[in-house]
Amino acid sequence: GQSLEQPSEVTAVEGAIVQINCTYQTSGFYGLSWYQQHDGGAPTFLSYNALDGLEETGRFSSFLSRSDSYGYLLLQELQMKDSASYFCAASDDYKLSFGAGTTVTVRA
Amino acid sequence: DGGITQSPKYLFRKEGQNVTLSCEQNLNHDAMYWYRQDPGQGLRLIYYSQIVNDFQKGDIAEGYSVSREKKESFPLTVTSAQKNPTAFYLCASRPGTASNQPQHFGDGTRLSIL
Repeated sequence: GQSLEQPSEVTAVEGAIVQINCTYQTSGFYGLSWYQQHDGGAPTFLSYNALDGLEETGRFSSFLSRSDSYGYLLLQELQMKDSASYFCAASDDYKLSFGAGTTVTVRA
Repeated sequence: DGGITQSPKYLFRKEGQNVTLSCEQNLNHDAMYWYRQDPGQGLRLIYYSQIVNDFQKGDIAEGYSVSREKKESFPLTVTSAQKNPTAFYLCASRPGTASNQPQHFGDGTRLSIL
């Protein structure tokens, strides 16, 4: 199985940059995904890293270091609508294992 | 529009009662998943199915049962053996089981005990 650790809360102001770290312990690892969930809603896919390095998608970027069992999600130019919970998830052969989530609060 | 439909949105269970949560998808996806989410926690996998007529236990399968008789449907039954069923239940699907394929989620069902 998988075990993932991420911070529980982060608070920042509009326009700022936030980095959410995720460390994982695995028994079979294919890649790291990130999902966003607004309060009471369905999680939505943000990004996936299978190889080491940075993947950029608009204001969001995700990084993976397989040798360090570590990844992060970078949120740039924060907007109020980015207030949500963010989950890292590790893939093994057929399924995902999720971290407990990081609640990001964006203040004006 | 293609998507995943979960029903009902809210469900109440009496002591000793089994209840069934519906999950239907019209995305033509082979793989389907059921997760449980408790406040302040991540998603925990209950059951998953890679193909019709086949399913596997996830990390917290005790007290739950599923079936996969049709590709588009993956209902979850919360049995009376599940002593703490109050939670937010999420159903997801993806085209196959390749690790780079994102999961698509339904809007969830909130289950509470009466």
